[in-house]
Amino acid sequence: SQQGEEDPQALSIQEGENATMNCSYKTSINNLQWYRQNSGRGLVHLILIRSNEREKHSGRLRVTLDTSKKSSSLLITASRAADTASYFCATDGDSSYKLIFGSGTRLLVRP
Amino acid sequence: DTAVSQTPKYLVTQMGNDKSIKCEQNLGHDTMYWYKQDSKKFLKIMFSYNNKELIINETVPNRFSPKSPDKAHLNLHINSLELGDSAVYFCASSQVRSPGGEQYFGPGTRLTVT
Repeated sequence: SQQGEEDPQALSIQEGENATMNCSYKTSINNLQWYRQNSGRGLVHLILIRSNEREKHSGRLRVTLDTSKKSSSLLITASRAADTASYFCATDGDSSYKLIFGSGTRLLVRP
Repeated sequence: DTAVSQTPKYLVTQMGNDKSIKCEQNLGHDTMYWYKQDSKKFLKIMFSYNNKELIINETVPNRFSPKSPDKAHLNLHINSLELGDSAVYFCASSQVRSPGGEQYFGPGTRLTVT
């Protein structure tokens, strides 16, 4: 299966703490993306990092990419209750016309 | 304005029936997709269309037939529904063809087959 793996599967933290999620993938990539999915909703794009980039920031989000280890991490700083959602990484794998999603991390931010 | 819309949001039907899910995007994107998310939240590509042309068919049973009447619409018709078809189906669209760009997802259609 080309499906990527994310860990942890679930993460529970207190509001204000940082949350770190990791993603590993199997094929070579052009870019890696992170998406958020609130319960019962569609996915929302958060950030895209290209294979020649090592780190990228967007607001409270920081993404790193290590292509030698085929892994990425998403850090959410100063978490809020509204950050409670599932987070998925996605790679373009062997085709520009599809994304291969990881298994997702369920984040719970306790108020 | 809704960027990617799907109808219906919920669909409950019996085994053996035929049903359709509709998707429309008003973003002017060239590429549209159907994904299936199972009960464990795994999200898997089913089909990809670019300018009404089928680009990707990920070994989906031929009971599933996508149709793209124009580049703003991608519908999914499912024949002879089976219990295992129960899932949430997401439509998505994107503009950047290479090297794989941001995708915009619809709200999903929760299909329950009884």
